[in-house]
Amino acid sequence: EAGVVQSPRYKIIEKKQPVAFWCNPISGHNTLYWYLQNLGQGPELLIRYENEEAVDDSQLPKDRFSAERLKGVDSTLKIQPAELGDSAVYLCASSLDPASYNEQFFGPGTRLTVL
Amino acid sequence: KQEVTQIPAALSVPEGENLVLNCSFTDSAIYNLQWFRQDPGKGLTSLLLIQSSQREQTSGRLNASLDKSSGRSTLYIAASQPGDSATYLCAVSPRGLGNAGGTSYGKLTFGQGTILTVHP
Repeated sequence: EAGVVQSPRYKIIEKKQPVAFWCNPISGHNTLYWYLQNLGQGPELLIRYENEEAVDDSQLPKDRFSAERLKGVDSTLKIQPAELGDSAVYLCASSLDPASYNEQFFGPGTRLTVL
Repeated sequence: KQEVTQIPAALSVPEGENLVLNCSFTDSAIYNLQWFRQDPGKGLTSLLLIQSSQREQTSGRLNASLDKSSGRSTLYIAASQPGDSATYLCAVSPRGLGNAGGTSYGKLTFGQGTILTVHP
């Protein structure tokens, strides 16, 4: 069974440029999460989707970040414009449903460097 | 607000030692607790998930315990190997099976991790 797929794995951009990350969850997983991980820290939730609905985006900086999950499968996270402080690893995770006790499975992440 | 703390921040041991990683959390109203492993430059690999009604889970050389009332979990690694070297993260999920549509459900709160080095 394929795991969570993310692309690109690495991205280097200049500040004020836009950037987008893509995630394909494990097949059949209804819940999708985007996390931000700063160096030496644990991940922090940015947004959670149940199918195509964003049910928790309270931690998403909406002035520059946006996300979508069309058709309730893959998802895109966008930053526009990027700032130096956005340099971090962006992780995508998915889980099956509440009956699975919310075990979350993570992708390899996208490492963003903003110059 | 849930806070998760992991001790120690770093640990270096010789191969073959048994070791214990600690995780504590401030709000005992959790749904489950997950232990993850993260290799440098990689994503997180789920090791063990303990439901709030359980006391422990085992997988191979790993054993995780949960004491919800005291807000603690431990990850025990038996007979450590150099391949166990990684960062180990614990994370708690808020209670919410009955609140699956609520905003807090599914939000994992992570500790900062323990960096483990097992040297030959």
